[in-house]
Amino acid sequence: GQNIDQPTEMTATEGAIVQINCTYQTSGFNGLFWYQQHAGEAPTFLSYNVLDGLEEKGRFSSFLSRSKGYSYLLLKELQMKDSASYLCAVMDSNYQLIWGAGTKLIIKP
Amino acid sequence: TAGITQAPTSQILAAGRSMTLRCTQDMRHNAMYWYRQDLGLGLRLIHYSNTAGTTGKGEVPDGYSVSRANTDDFPLTLASAVPSQTSVYFCASSPVRGGTDTQYFGPGTRLTVL
Repeated sequence: GQNIDQPTEMTATEGAIVQINCTYQTSGFNGLFWYQQHAGEAPTFLSYNVLDGLEEKGRFSSFLSRSKGYSYLLLKELQMKDSASYLCAVMDSNYQLIWGAGTKLIIKP
Repeated sequence: TAGITQAPTSQILAAGRSMTLRCTQDMRHNAMYWYRQDLGLGLRLIHYSNTAGTTGKGEVPDGYSVSRANTDDFPLTLASAVPSQTSVYFCASSPVRGGTDTQYFGPGTRLTVL
């Protein structure tokens, strides 16, 4: 079966750095997405990786290793507004997105 | 632009009743999707549409039906609701299905079936 694993919950301090990991086993691979979802709201797009390596976008970076079936989202200079769930999703060989359950990130002052 | 709108925002429904969740997008996207989101689970695809006039089944289609009469609208119908259909339902769209383009999500409909 297809599977996306990410930690259920993480806690970090305002101003610090946090890394959210995602491992996947899917039928084929056509890219990996990270989305942010604030409580009670819709998911919003953060990043897309299809090739190995690091993609940097402001305070957020995303890394992919296809051989290891592994990605991480790195958030720097954490702000209180970063408190949200972070969803990892992989596009499989049928071009369907397979979603992880999400990581709830709690930011403490 | 409004992006994607969904109605209603929330609904309590008696088991056995039917209901249609509405979804409208103004981005002229070809592909549209319906997901359900349940606590502790990832988003699960119910149905999708590659373009107006076509629909397809996702991971959890049983108990749901969709239609795509035009580009903008993609309603989801529950013919006879059951308590296991209690969930948050998200409609999404993308320029094409399967491309590298992100999916854009509506605000969701919170449905409770009693």
